[in-house]
Amino acid sequence: AQSVSQHNHHVILSEAASLELGCNYSYGGTVNLFWYVQYPGQHLQLLLKYFSGDPLVKGIKGFEAEFIKSKFSFNLRKPSVQWSDTAEYFCAVNQRATGKLIFGQGTTLQVKP
Amino acid sequence: KAGVTQTPRYLIKTRGQQVTLSCSPISGHRSVSWYQQTPGQGLQFLFEYFSETQRNKGNFPGRFSGRQFSNSRSEMNVSTLELGDSALYLCASSPGQENTGELFFGEGSRLTVL
Repeated sequence: AQSVSQHNHHVILSEAASLELGCNYSYGGTVNLFWYVQYPGQHLQLLLKYFSGDPLVKGIKGFEAEFIKSKFSFNLRKPSVQWSDTAEYFCAVNQRATGKLIFGQGTTLQVKP
Repeated sequence: KAGVTQTPRYLIKTRGQQVTLSCSPISGHRSVSWYQQTPGQGLQFLFEYFSETQRNKGNFPGRFSGRQFSNSRSEMNVSTLELGDSALYLCASSPGQENTGELFFGEGSRLTVL
């Protein structure tokens, strides 16, 4: 069965620190890849997505992610975090063959001002 | 455009009861997916509907069921509630015939089972 693994469950950073959240998936077929974010008190929303093409994708608020096919990874990065980035981040993988979207366990990011 | 609307937002039930949750997708969206979110298990896929047909299903017991109406609105039902069913139930919609994984989520229905 397909699974999505996020390496960090809880990350605490100071403002201006760099962020990298790891995500690996187990599925050999063609996939679409996503990072979703859930800010405190808000609904889950799309942060960025990869369907094809340039494996380095840019999303909202300065976030980017890199798809490394050989490693089945889709890591999220941001060079300098802000207090407003405090949220829960979910990696998700969509199997194109079935349309199923599977989420990782989520990473809680806490940014200290 | 109005977003995905879920009702009720909060509800409390006791073990053995059943519950029905409702979801109105974004206007024009024809696919509706349901997820269960808990602190321990994260987001678990329940099922997806498109044009009133269940297109995908997760690994939940038969107590969890759903349906979609001709106007794309969807309901999910949980019968014989158990304590472990306490969770945030999220509905998400997407526009196209193909589910690419790009979903628009509602705020969820928080179910507490006592």
